[in-house]
Amino acid sequence: GAVVSQHPSRVICKSGTSVKIECRSLDFQATTMFWYRQFPKKSLMLMATSNEGSKATYEQGVEKDKFLINHASLTLSTLTVTSAHPEDSSFYICSAKHLGEIADTQYFGPGTRLTVL
Amino acid sequence: AQSVAQPEDQVNVAEGNPLTVKCTYSVSGNPYLFWYVQYPNRGLQFLLKYITGDNLVKGSYGFEAEFNKSQTSFHLKKPSALVSDSALYFCAVRVYTGNQFYFGTGTSLTVIP
Repeated sequence: GAVVSQHPSRVICKSGTSVKIECRSLDFQATTMFWYRQFPKKSLMLMATSNEGSKATYEQGVEKDKFLINHASLTLSTLTVTSAHPEDSSFYICSAKHLGEIADTQYFGPGTRLTVL
Repeated sequence: AQSVAQPEDQVNVAEGNPLTVKCTYSVSGNPYLFWYVQYPNRGLQFLLKYITGDNLVKGSYGFEAEFNKSQTSFHLKKPSALVSDSALYFCAVRVYTGNQFYFGTGTSLTVIP
């Protein structure tokens, strides 16, 4: 159990376009989801905390107007990278907090590789 | 401030030998501790967690971890390493009253055939 999916797994886009990434908890409800960015051989950088039905909480240094987050249901959060530039190329990973488990374990999606040309 | 340290960027071990991946933490409160594994171009997979009780926690794929409160450590261990265990391992901590996970910088484990 506790499966999280992400779509797409890989996307290549032109500079200036917008890209939407979906994160779904498949077999549990998640009022809270998290969006991370990971650089090669580096740890995870928390970008924002996505709360169902309310505005996301962004970490310091993350542009909320560039990385739009919507958490419209208990199983879906989306991250839209607006006006993408090459420096936005990265591996984006979402996670969902499983409220049904003690310690609210986070379960991670498989990640999305974004390449901006 | 909460933090997690994984002092080794890289750990190499021969197949069949025991392995240890180190993790220490610093929190202001009771910690929940986690280990995750990441294979190339994949997300993180949950391995095990410590909440309370028995200091030795057993998890997936034969891994276990020992919580040591006095040393503020939560080292990941396996009695006999497999080549397929080669991956990136992350330790994480969450404070009981908090929401956010704090991750270590990751340790790359290579099991040599």
